[in-house]
Amino acid sequence: SQTIHQWPATLVQPVGSPLSLECTVEGTSNPNLYWYRQAAGRGLQLLFYSVGIGQISSEVPQNLSASRPQDRQFILSSKKLLLSDSGFYLCAWSVGTVYEQYFGPGTRLTVT
Amino acid sequence: QKEVEQNSGPLSVPEGAIASLNCTYSDRGSQSFFWYRQYSGKSPELIMSIYSNGDKEDGRFTAQLNKASQYVSLLIRDSQPSDSATYLCAFYGGATNKLIFGTGTLLAVQP
Repeated sequence: SQTIHQWPATLVQPVGSPLSLECTVEGTSNPNLYWYRQAAGRGLQLLFYSVGIGQISSEVPQNLSASRPQDRQFILSSKKLLLSDSGFYLCAWSVGTVYEQYFGPGTRLTVT
Repeated sequence: QKEVEQNSGPLSVPEGAIASLNCTYSDRGSQSFFWYRQYSGKSPELIMSIYSNGDKEDGRFTAQLNKASQYVSLLIRDSQPSDSATYLCAFYGGATNKLIFGTGTLLAVQP
């Protein structure tokens, strides 16, 4: 069966510091991978998605970036965090043209 | 008009009752619809998918889709306190090629 991992689970970072969040998927090949952010009391905002290694599409212009160095690994990064980057970061996967997406456990980021 | 509209709630129902959650969407070209359950502090969990008009049942859950009226609903029979969570509806936006989420309805099942 498929499993998705995210780490760290929680993170507190000062403004201006760098960020690296990692997501890995097990039990499937060539998944579509997604990064979402859920701010307190708000809906899910799609940040990036990837259909393959090195293929990244950005949905929202911001100080975040994403990379996919391996088939089942998706990384979210920032060089300098802003207060507005605080939120619940979720990685999700789907397969082929199936639109059902499955979420990882998430990383709760607080920028202070 | 928002792409997806859900009543934020809270929707309070007594234990054992039927909980009815509703969602309307704007994209007439949408073909795929989903319900996710999100417990407080946790990530969303896919509980139902529906692709055709009508009802789809899975255990205590029934999803209903009406494409002509552009609404999708989720019925939870014999509601339990463990069903207390935020329920997110989502649809695959053919025009935008991505999953569009509502902001969710908070369900509280009172013992």
